[in-house]
Amino acid sequence: DAKTTQPPSMDCAEGRAANLPCNHSTISGNEYVYWYRQIHSQGPQYIIHGLKNNETNEMASLIITEDRKSSTLILPHATLRDTAVYYCIVRVVYAGNTGKLIFGQGTTLQVKP
Amino acid sequence: NAGVMQNPRHLVRRRGQEARLRCSPMKGHSHVYWYRQLPEEGLKFMVYLQKENIIDESGMPKERFSAEFPKEGPSILRIQQVVRGDSAAYFCASSPPESHADTQYFGPGTRLTVL
Repeated sequence: DAKTTQPPSMDCAEGRAANLPCNHSTISGNEYVYWYRQIHSQGPQYIIHGLKNNETNEMASLIITEDRKSSTLILPHATLRDTAVYYCIVRVVYAGNTGKLIFGQGTTLQVKP
Repeated sequence: NAGVMQNPRHLVRRRGQEARLRCSPMKGHSHVYWYRQLPEEGLKFMVYLQKENIIDESGMPKERFSAEFPKEGPSILRIQQVVRGDSAAYFCASSPPESHADTQYFGPGTRLTVL
């Protein structure tokens, strides 16, 4: 699975959009981009994933560049409860894949009032 | 639909005792994964199981650790003769059978403390 690079920490004002970048320059064509977060040592929470196209769900939006070498997770209106460590993970998804997620250090997002 | 359930949530053991951690996957999920998070460290994959089969145990310590996912009942992560270095949060995740969309959903974890 491709390696990812994320900034170690970011701040965001409450109510503003939080934009979390992720570089995955060695991503291959069959690798998806996944985002999880971990709020204060709780179990990781799935946020969103995508392959090529931008994706949006009730939690966030995922913007993937055309060359797929980087992506941005957008929390449109950050709240204090969004303070967490955010993990960007790229992985192959195909029949027979072992499925393990390889977590890096992630980005610690601090949402401030 | 209940999420992934883990119990106990907190477990205290003395050195040399055995620890058994249980994981009930989400309804309809047939794949189970175990991860460990040591204090102040990231999450590390341990083992991936399907019903009655270990698919990938590349992250499991060679000794004292074992995992199973029987045909009936929860998945069990077993740690024999625990040592202080086993103190960690152990997370279980499950995913549905369709491998093309096997998003993993995590449980709340079991926090093991070895005295």
